[in-house]
Amino acid sequence: QVQLVESGGGVVQPGGSLRLSCAASGFKLSQFAMHWVRQAPGKGLEWLAHVRGDGSAKYYGDSVTGRFTISRDNSKNTLYLQMDRLRVEDTGIYFCARDAYCSIDSWGQGTLVTVSS
Amino acid sequence: DVVMTQSPLSLSVTLGQPASISCRSSQTFVHSDGDTHLSWFQQRPGQSPRRLIYKVSRRDSGVPDRFSGSGSGTDFTLKISRVEAEDVGVYYCMQAPHWPWTFGQGTKVEIK
Repeated sequence: QVQLVESGGGVVQPGGSLRLSCAASGFKLSQFAMHWVRQAPGKGLEWLAHVRGDGSAKYYGDSVTGRFTISRDNSKNTLYLQMDRLRVEDTGIYFCARDAYCSIDSWGQGTLVTVSS
Repeated sequence: DVVMTQSPLSLSVTLGQPASISCRSSQTFVHSDGDTHLSWFQQRPGQSPRRLIYKVSRRDSGVPDRFSGSGSGTDFTLKISRVEAEDVGVYYCMQAPHWPWTFGQGTKVEIK
């Protein structure tokens, strides 16, 4: 079955960087666009970024444009989120999610990122 | 950006009674394929979100038929015909394909 496992979360200081990974299994990653979605503590869902199956197009949410970069390595069945110039308000659980043609049909369990001095 | 506004933000329901959640968008978002891609997600406490409904009214496999979605244009509704204890959680609507995709604020459903 479809499995998405995020890793790479942790504690980082404001202004720092972190790279999240999402290992995909149970399906052919190259055939699906993928997303990152986050959830601040006690808050709702915020869509962050999307990448097409072949990596040819990427879209970002307003709050992360210019600071975060989504990428993928289909040969490794892995999705990435490079996060630079992190802010306190970037704290939250980061989910990777599988695209289902203008929707999301599968979610990982999430990885916690804490930005704090 | 397309702003998604849910109401109410909190709902306390007696077991076996119906519940209804509204989701309104700041503009229409009909895809070039002619479909309106409005999805509903359920997030139970401590869990990842799970999709219930896509394309306004299509129920995902394994989703109980007490859940239904409806609407068009800028007004959409998720209904639970008879709330059960396992339905406790937060429900989100989401629009696509206008970039950036956007979620509603979430509606917390609890048992009275």
